Amino acid sequence: ETGVTQTPRHLVMGMTNKKSLKCEQHLGHNAMYWYKQSAKKPLELMFVYSLEERVENNSVPSRFSPECPNSSHLFLHLHTLQPEDSALYLCASSRSRGLAKNIQYFGAGTRLSVL
Amino acid sequence: SQELEQSPQSLIVQEGKNLTINCTSSKTLYGLYWYKQKYGEGLIFLMMLQKGGEEKSHEKITAKLDEKKQQSSLHITASQPSHAGTYLCGADAWVYGGSQGNLIFGKGTKLSVKP
Repeated sequence: ETGVTQTPRHLVMGMTNKKSLKCEQHLGHNAMYWYKQSAKKPLELMFVYSLEERVENNSVPSRFSPECPNSSHLFLHLHTLQPEDSALYLCASSRSRGLAKNIQYFGAGTRLSVL
Repeated sequence: SQELEQSPQSLIVQEGKNLTINCTSSKTLYGLYWYKQKYGEGLIFLMMLQKGGEEKSHEKITAKLDEKKQQSSLHITASQPSHAGTYLCGADAWVYGGSQGNLIFGKGTKLSVKP
């Protein structure tokens, strides 16, 4: 148990569906992250939130829309996805982005399949 | 080229054997983070190294950062099936021109332990 919970663990959706991924952290952290993990590729950072403000968007297509209503919760809203978006989506949190020791704690991930 | 190169890409060892995984950086490291990931799950933080020559241990896993702070090794003594998984090294992204507070990761080393 890492203190970061992601739901659902598995999701299958059609290209015209709209769905959301949820992440909740119980660590009192101020920063939260969304990553995409595809086979044989390094982890790709998608979005970063610090104190509920989006501070980074790494050229992610607009069909992915993040939301951070408070420092404990992070959502990733999905719509009109493509089959190449199938991947493991990981959420992470860290105490603060400004710290020298920025250990990130990860959730178990959501395995997304787009048909 | 990859900022963080891990070797080998995959490894199969007999239970009880020792093994070493390497992580090489193209730049001098500020912080080096080791994580373990079981298939389809999130990353579990193992340890962080910051000082040249630093060595840390967690149960039968020992990680070391070389004096020049450009390479780290992860050594497992008397491997067990529970050690199986993918080991990823991460580093502070700002070292490679990225944003403060972000991490970048190697592609991982997949370890299988045969009983």
